[in-house]
Amino acid sequence: AQSVSQHNHHVILSEAASLELGCNYSYGGTVNLFWYVQYPGQHLQLLLKYFSGDPLVKGIKGFEAEFIKSKFSFNLRKPSVQWSDTAEYFCAVNARDRAAGNKLTFGGGTRVLVKP
Amino acid sequence: GAGVSQSPSNKVTEKGKDVELRCDPISGHTALYWYRQRLGQGLEFLIYFQGNSAPDKSGLPSDRFSAERTGESVSTLTIQRTQQEDSAVYLCASSARQGPLYEQYFGPGTRLTVT
Repeated sequence: AQSVSQHNHHVILSEAASLELGCNYSYGGTVNLFWYVQYPGQHLQLLLKYFSGDPLVKGIKGFEAEFIKSKFSFNLRKPSVQWSDTAEYFCAVNARDRAAGNKLTFGGGTRVLVKP
Repeated sequence: GAGVSQSPSNKVTEKGKDVELRCDPISGHTALYWYRQRLGQGLEFLIYFQGNSAPDKSGLPSDRFSAERTGESVSTLTIQRTQQEDSAVYLCASSARQGPLYEQYFGPGTRLTVT
């Protein structure tokens, strides 16, 4: 079974600072990778995803993530955060394995607070 | 268009009571998922429907948990004889088709508190 770990539970930073959130997964096979975001009072929504091809993927709102297969990592980055990036961020994987079904396995989430 | 909706948004129940949680997926979405998020933790997969069949029930934590889906529409998650450890936010998601290529759209969740 796959598992996902996010290293930081809470991150506090100032506007214009750079952000990097770590995500590592454990699974021996091929995976699809996702970052979801939940803004205060809103639904969970997809930020970006990786299925194949260029390991550097760009998502909405200036976010990007890099898949490093050798490190089983899919870290999320943003060069310059804004106050509106305050949210909880979840990394998730979906094993490309029929037996695994279609379920997403999530990390524990990282709460990001951007101070104005 | 309308997104995934869930009801109730909040539910407080006494230990030992049964509860029903409802999910209305996006119209036309054939796949539907239930997840649970306990306080301070990530989302845990519970069950997945393709149409009204459930090919993957592997995440249901005990036989107190069951779920049904009517056609390709509404789904209900039932928890019998609730326990305090069932307190969590229960999230529903739907996707247009089965398969990881299809984005899962999440509802607002039902916050269940068992006292």
